[in-house]
Amino acid sequence: GQQVMQIPQYQHVQEGEDFTTYCNSSTTLSNIQWYKQRPGGHPVFLIQLVKSGEVKKQKRLTFQFGEAKKNSSLHITATQTTDVGTYFCAGRPFGNNRLAFGKGNQVVVIP
Amino acid sequence: NAGVTQTPKFQVLKTGQSMTLQCAQDMNHEYMSWYRQDPGMGLRLIHYSVGAGITDQGEVPNGYNVSRSTTEDFPLRLLSAAPSQTSVYFCASSYGQGHSYEQYFGPGTRLTVT
Repeated sequence: GQQVMQIPQYQHVQEGEDFTTYCNSSTTLSNIQWYKQRPGGHPVFLIQLVKSGEVKKQKRLTFQFGEAKKNSSLHITATQTTDVGTYFCAGRPFGNNRLAFGKGNQVVVIP
Repeated sequence: NAGVTQTPKFQVLKTGQSMTLQCAQDMNHEYMSWYRQDPGMGLRLIHYSVGAGITDQGEVPNGYNVSRSTTEDFPLRLLSAAPSQTSVYFCASSYGQGHSYEQYFGPGTRLTVT
């Protein structure tokens, strides 16, 4: 079946540095969503991308949807300790009514 | 608005016992779903509902039943608990066509089956 894969699965990031997490699909997606889950918490919606090549920014976070609508990335600049958590992408394939979640990228921030 | 609420927060069951995980939302969302989260496995869809009276299976439905008699409530039933069902369960809701809209997640139920 359709899979949404995230790389890397784990990241240790020095406070103040930048990092990127990637999301790849084997099929074309109609949309992609990103969620953040703090340790012990529940996933919280960050953003949705719909258009090919779309780029959206939220303060230090930049989200991108690939031209072929098969991949996406989340780039965080000047990492802060509040960025710790697991970042999930979730995509909906064309013609499919289900949202497929990636396994997540667990981010640890080193002060 | 309380958003999405789940009860209980924690539960320990013995193998073979049954129980119902409760989920309610007060946002008048049509779409509701249940996920389980296991270490390294991400979020896997168990069952979902596009409206009252309509349910469908997700990726991992075996061992679970659902019903949707009202817009607000979407309980998940474990018929005969097994250790493999030890997990964190999240209920989520969204407006309209579900997967085209942001999912609002509840706080989760941590279930241990011994």
